[in-house]
Amino acid sequence: GQSLEQPSEVTAVEGAIVQINCTYQTSGFYGLSWYQQHDGGAPTFLSYNALDGLEETGRFSSFLSRSDSYGYLLLQELQMKDSASYFCAVSQYSSASKIIFGSGTRLSIRP
Amino acid sequence: DAGITQSPRYKITETGRQVTLMCHQTWSHSYMFWYRQDLGHGLRLIYYSAAADITDKGEVPDGYVVSRSKTENFPLTLESATRSQTSVYFCASSDLTTGGFGYTFGSGTRLTVV
Repeated sequence: GQSLEQPSEVTAVEGAIVQINCTYQTSGFYGLSWYQQHDGGAPTFLSYNALDGLEETGRFSSFLSRSDSYGYLLLQELQMKDSASYFCAVSQYSSASKIIFGSGTRLSIRP
Repeated sequence: DAGITQSPRYKITETGRQVTLMCHQTWSHSYMFWYRQDLGHGLRLIYYSAAADITDKGEVPDGYVVSRSKTENFPLTLESATRSQTSVYFCASSDLTTGGFGYTFGSGTRLTVV
């Protein structure tokens, strides 16, 4: 089976930096993805890590440690529009394109 | 227009009725997926398809049927709707050749079973 754990809620201040952690347990781990979803909207793809290390895309970065079964999403220079839910998701070797999502972290930004 | 579209956006149906949710993509992506999302929860995989005429079960397939006769269409059918199937349903597609294994999601269908 598979399991992913991420905090249910995180609150941060506009302009600050926030880190959303994700730990996973899965056989045949292949990669870790991150998605953003605004209320009432569809999930949108943010980033993907298959190898250990940090991937940076603008204000967002994602990190993976395969040995620790752990990853995180780092959001810098927070803006009010970053208020959303963030999901980590794992893909397995046995079916590289099928991904299983975590329960999501609701990020609230305060002025 | 290019993209992935779901229909209908909203649907109310009665318990026991058959309901079909439609999903259409214009990219010729090989992979397509159906997820359900319940209030306060993540997305749970119902079924997925690697290509036309190839489908497989996800985490929560019971009570659902899929087909994929054409690459661009992936309808989801609730054979006999139950109240527990009240949810938001998202269709997604993916093209492995683009790298990153990112999915593109449709806008969702909000289904209420009464």
